[in-house]
Amino acid sequence: AQTVTQSQPEMSVQEAETVTLSCTYDTSESNYYLFWYKQPPSRQMILVIRQEAYKQQNATENRFSVNFQKAAKSFSLKISDSQLGDTAMYFCAFSVSYGGSQGNLIFGKGTKLSVKP
Amino acid sequence: DGGITQSPKYLFRKEGQNVTLSCEQNLNHDAMYWYRQDPGQGLRLIYYSQIVNDFQKGDIAEGYSVSREKKESFPLTVTSAQKNPTAFYLCASRVFPEGGAGGDEQFFGPGTRLTVL
Repeated sequence: AQTVTQSQPEMSVQEAETVTLSCTYDTSESNYYLFWYKQPPSRQMILVIRQEAYKQQNATENRFSVNFQKAAKSFSLKISDSQLGDTAMYFCAFSVSYGGSQGNLIFGKGTKLSVKP
Repeated sequence: DGGITQSPKYLFRKEGQNVTLSCEQNLNHDAMYWYRQDPGQGLRLIYYSQIVNDFQKGDIAEGYSVSREKKESFPLTVTSAQKNPTAFYLCASRVFPEGGAGGDEQFFGPGTRLTVL
């Protein structure tokens, strides 16, 4: 069974600084996808970034980037130039590429990020 | 505007009552999902449906039931058999291309907060 672990329940960062959120996962699959979702106080889940396991290049989306280490089964999220609007719960998630459960997301327990002015 | 709607936003249930949470999407997505979110637990999959008139149990299906009579709709019933139903419930949907991989983004609704009185 696949599992996703986020070891940092809470983190804080000063506005304009950089912060890295950690995520590790466990799977025997070779083809899969990894995601970071953001849940602000409104509780609306928003996709931040996605990584395909067969791509070696790390995904980036503006101020958000990942460090994907497939052998280590690690998928960290780096937020550069942190903004007050980045304050949210961040969830790491995993899905297999094929099979009956393809597309089903397995979530970590989340990291609560607070950006301080 | 395309999106996912959930109603009601807040729902109160008395002991022994069944209640139904609504989820509607106009994104023409094939697959739909129900998640339960508890503090410190992340999101856990209750049920999912990849096609009309078919659905599968997720990790925590006991005490819940669903139907998928229309592509746009995936209502969740919380039955009296669910002993601890107080939680935040999220509905999601995604494209499910035949023969395709499972990496497409899941889009989430705004959620329903269920409280047992």
